[in-house]
Amino acid sequence: EAQVTQNPRYLITVTGKKLTVTCSQNMNHEYMSWYRQDPGLGLRQIYYSMNVEVTDKGDVPEGYKVSRKEKRNFPLILESPSPNQTSLYFCASSYTGTGSAAFSYEQYFGPGTRLTVT
Amino acid sequence: RKEVEQDPGPFNVPEGATVAFNCTYSNSASQSFFWYRQDCRKEPKLLMSVYSSGNEDGRFTAQLNRASQYISLLIRDSKLSDSATYLCVVNVDRGSTLGRLYFGRGTQLTVWP
Repeated sequence: EAQVTQNPRYLITVTGKKLTVTCSQNMNHEYMSWYRQDPGLGLRQIYYSMNVEVTDKGDVPEGYKVSRKEKRNFPLILESPSPNQTSLYFCASSYTGTGSAAFSYEQYFGPGTRLTVT
Repeated sequence: RKEVEQDPGPFNVPEGATVAFNCTYSNSASQSFFWYRQDCRKEPKLLMSVYSSGNEDGRFTAQLNRASQYISLLIRDSKLSDSATYLCVVNVDRGSTLGRLYFGRGTQLTVWP
């Protein structure tokens, strides 16, 4: 089954304790991305990756790190989590391309990770 | 100014009604546009891409107006199952590959019997 998986689904942690949220896709997608969703603010892009070893900042990258060593995995790292990083996090993947092909590229989202930092 | 602005609603309409959502974007270099649907804090799912000439998929019609930097979504003959939050998404990047994406805050729709 084609899917994007995230782990863990729920996490409660304390300020300053490093954590990693994993994301994996089995669709051979080049493009992967992390978002956070907060009430009243909608979804905001944290980082994205257009292929292995290629990552770029999104709208709200501060306090986060990512790596893309393999095509299927795109972990999100919080080196020193703070309470303002309490949020619902989504990972997504897609084909990417040039020209008109980009207009039809659907992003497939993982089920979300609900993170609480106390 | 936010990159993508949407009317948050909520829109409450009876079954069978026609409802329209609007979305404006600020970056004239935006390359591609999408409408996603999100049910109650679940993951968003693609409803439709928006093409320059406008496009239709069953009861759903999407329009793009580049001059006014405006996207719309029309839902005809609303069903109870259309109740969800609708997210406008804009791809802003160099070239026309999928790159940096901006989401609107979403428009909440409730269809009542």
